Parts: sequence; structure tokens; C-alpha cells
Amino acid sequence: AQSVTQPDIHITVSEGASLELRCNYSYGATPYLFWYVQSPGQGLQLLLKYFSGDTLVQGIKGFEAEFKRSQSSFNLRKPSVHWSDAAEYFCAVDLGGGSYIPTFGRGTSLIVHP
Amino acid sequence: DVKVTQSSRYLVKRTGEKVFLECVQDMDHENMFWYRQDPGLGLRLIYFSYDVKMKEKGDIPEGYSVSREKKERFSLILESASTNQTSMYLCASRMTSGPRNTEAFFGQGTRLTVV
Repeated sequence: AQSVTQPDIHITVSEGASLELRCNYSYGATPYLFWYVQSPGQGLQLLLKYFSGDTLVQGIKGFEAEFKRSQSSFNLRKPSVHWSDAAEYFCAVDLGGGSYIPTFGRGTSLIVHP
Repeated sequence: DVKVTQSSRYLVKRTGEKVFLECVQDMDHENMFWYRQDPGLGLRLIYFSYDVKMKEKGDIPEGYSVSREKKERFSLILESASTNQTSMYLCASRMTSGPRNTEAFFGQGTRLTVV
């Protein structure tokens, strides 16, 4: 069965510092890969996705993620964090449509210090 | 703009009540999902529906049922609410055609408290 691991439950950074959130997946084939963000009390919003091609993917709000097949990883990065980035971040994998079900990691809570 | 709407943001129900959580999407998506979100546990799938009148159990279906009579609406039913069903419930929908369209769209969530 496919699985997603986000090893960091909480990450604390200072405003203006760089950020990297880790995500590893386990599956026989390369799935489609996603990062979502959830602000407090809200639903999830898509930040970016990878399904093929260029392994560096750009998303909204200045985020990017790099797919590394050899490491089964899809880490999320941002060069300079803003206080408004404080939220819960979820990595997800999916085989795409039909009866396949997206699988989510447990999430990483980002805390931003002024 | 794509929309998934959950009927309530906050609900308080009594133990033993039958509870209905409604979700409507306006994107003509085939797939719809109900997740439960608890601190430290991430999103856990309760049920999903890959088309009208079709449903599949997820990881934690016990104590829940679902209904999908129309494509745009997916209802989650708590047959007899219990305090351990106090949680945030998230509905999502998704297309099934092609890799470019496989992201899930989420509602705002329903925070259910069972007392």
C-alpha cells in the first residue's frame, strides 16, 4: 500500500529564514505528488503538484518542491518565510483518478517567529 | 471558481443523535471523499464515492455511513453520535480524467462536537 511520511511534526523558523519541509513516499511506481496548506480552521488548499517532467515544481505563494526519484522524496521549500505562512502543511500522493484514493501524510505544523 | 461547500462550519450534537454532514461541489467531479482530521493523526479517510450511488469504505468507516444520490452531493451520516466522533470533518472532490486534474478540492471543514 502506498504511504506518505512527513517526519517533522512541528517546525519553527524565524520570519525571513528559509524553509524546507520533508516528504517521503513509498510506492512501487512514481505517483502524482502534491503539497497542500491548511490555515487554522480552514480546509486544504493546493500549493503545487508534480505528475511528470521537470522535477522542480513551482507553486503558489512562492513555494517550490523538488521531486527526487532516487530518494522517493518530494520536499517543499521556500527561500524566505513570511509570518502568514504559519499553517499546517500536508504532502499527498495519488495514482490519479478512478478508484484510486489520495493518501496524505500526517502533516507538519509550521510556526513562524517574528 | 471551484467550490466545495460544507453545510455547517460548527455543529454541537448530543450523544446518540443521528447527524448529517452535507457536502456539495459545483465542478461536476466524479470522486468525492470524507476525511476526518484529528491532531497528530492527519487526514483519515472515512468513505469515498467514485461516482453517483457508488461508495467505498475508507480506513475508519465504523459508526459512519454515506449517501450519494446526486453527483454534486455527498452526505456523511453518523448513525448514533458518540463523543469519540468529536472531530474536524473535511469533504473533498476530484476529477478522474488525466494527471493534470487529479488534485483534490476541499471544503472549509465542519467542526463537530458531540456532548
